[in-house]
Amino acid sequence: KAGVTQTPRYLIKTRGQQVTLSCSPISGHRSVSWYQQTPGQGLQFLFEYFSETQRNKGNFPGRFSGRQFSNSRSEMNVSTLELGDSALYLCASSLAPTGGGETQYFGPGTRLLVL
Amino acid sequence: EDQVTQSPEALRLQEGESSSLNCSYTVSGLRGLFWYRQDPGKGPEFLFTLYSAGEEKEKERLKATLTKKESFLHITAPKPEDSATYLCAVPTGGFKTIFGAGTRLFVKA
Repeated sequence: KAGVTQTPRYLIKTRGQQVTLSCSPISGHRSVSWYQQTPGQGLQFLFEYFSETQRNKGNFPGRFSGRQFSNSRSEMNVSTLELGDSALYLCASSLAPTGGGETQYFGPGTRLLVL
Repeated sequence: EDQVTQSPEALRLQEGESSSLNCSYTVSGLRGLFWYRQDPGKGPEFLFTLYSAGEEKEKERLKATLTKKESFLHITAPKPEDSATYLCAVPTGGFKTIFGAGTRLFVKA
């Protein structure tokens, strides 16, 4: 069974640009969560999608948005990039929403560098 | 406030020197506790899920245990390839899982 895939793996952007990251969950998984990981802040929750609906959102500005498609694939978008957005962005999938104790499986991440 | 705290931040061991990592949590109504291993530049790799106090799970040199307030990840006779960051995580019940800052483990041959 294929794992969680994320594209692209690496990105270099400049301040003010926008970026879209993609995540394909494990087959049959309907919940997708996104996290930002930086050396200073660790893994920070961005949002979780289940059945094409955003179920919860972390403490991030409105520049961070996402969506989920009917095949459970998900995208996240960051507009007006800032230097502080440089991070490893991780996607995780689970069979059902994570708040109830479902195990999440992570993808390899997308490394974003903002110059 | 829901919180997950891991200690120590970093742990340096000699090969074969057993030790434990700690994860203490504060959450209303435990719905599970997860352990992950993360290698530099990669996504976290799932290790264990524990659901109730007293539960234990093992995998090779790793053993995870759970009490009502904390979890331990015991590493027996570690090898250099066990070097990684170990993360614990707790679901909060509101479509959200919070992660600890992790323990960076270094095992020297």
